[in-house]
Amino acid sequence: EADIYQTPRYLVIGTGKKITLECSQTMGHDKMYWYQQDPGMELHLIHYSYGVNSTEKGDLSSESTVSRIRTEHFPLTLESARPSHTSQYLCASRNTRDQETQYFGPGTRLLVL
Amino acid sequence: AQSVSQHNHHVILSEAASLELGCNYSYGGTVNLFWYVQYPGQHLQLLLKYFSGDPLVKGIKGFEAEFIKSKFSFNLRKPSVQWSDTAEYFCAVNARYTGNQFYFGTGTSLTVIP
Repeated sequence: EADIYQTPRYLVIGTGKKITLECSQTMGHDKMYWYQQDPGMELHLIHYSYGVNSTEKGDLSSESTVSRIRTEHFPLTLESARPSHTSQYLCASRNTRDQETQYFGPGTRLLVL
Repeated sequence: AQSVSQHNHHVILSEAASLELGCNYSYGGTVNLFWYVQYPGQHLQLLLKYFSGDPLVKGIKGFEAEFIKSKFSFNLRKPSVQWSDTAEYFCAVNARYTGNQFYFGTGTSLTVIP
């Protein structure tokens, strides 16, 4: 059982609000990822990190930002939420010594009104 | 960029029927291949993976997948499905030596009728 946590699990918020989605893992994994998942669509990578102080944007353009100050923590922030941000956000991590397997968190379902 | 195609979006089967879900990828280099499963209300979890060696890989719960390099395919199979296999199934690919990114298919929703 992978130890990767996301909070909140569900969030309903008004347009223009700033929100931070939390992701933590206790496995000491160096690489972490944020995906956006909509029904019937593939998972789209929006951000990833190779390690502390390293972040990169994924293929899907996103108005969100991330930070990686500690190995175990990889929060995602939306400065001003919009209805187009409504989606499910999945966090994942992996250890390159563990044969490339990604472990996923339970996801955060975001609804922006 | 790599891409992954899953041909079946929704599959409905009766218990004990055989299952095959298609997955094709586009990438010319060496890849790692994965199938993930997401049961209702649960995390995405690894079902099986292929890195090298025997192209027929066996995963949890009686699932297997066959890597056919010439067809760029990694189809998932199970000889006899159960109601508890009802879930969403995602195929994913990662470039073995250069890839920090994983590319996922759109997923296949499987419903097994008792």
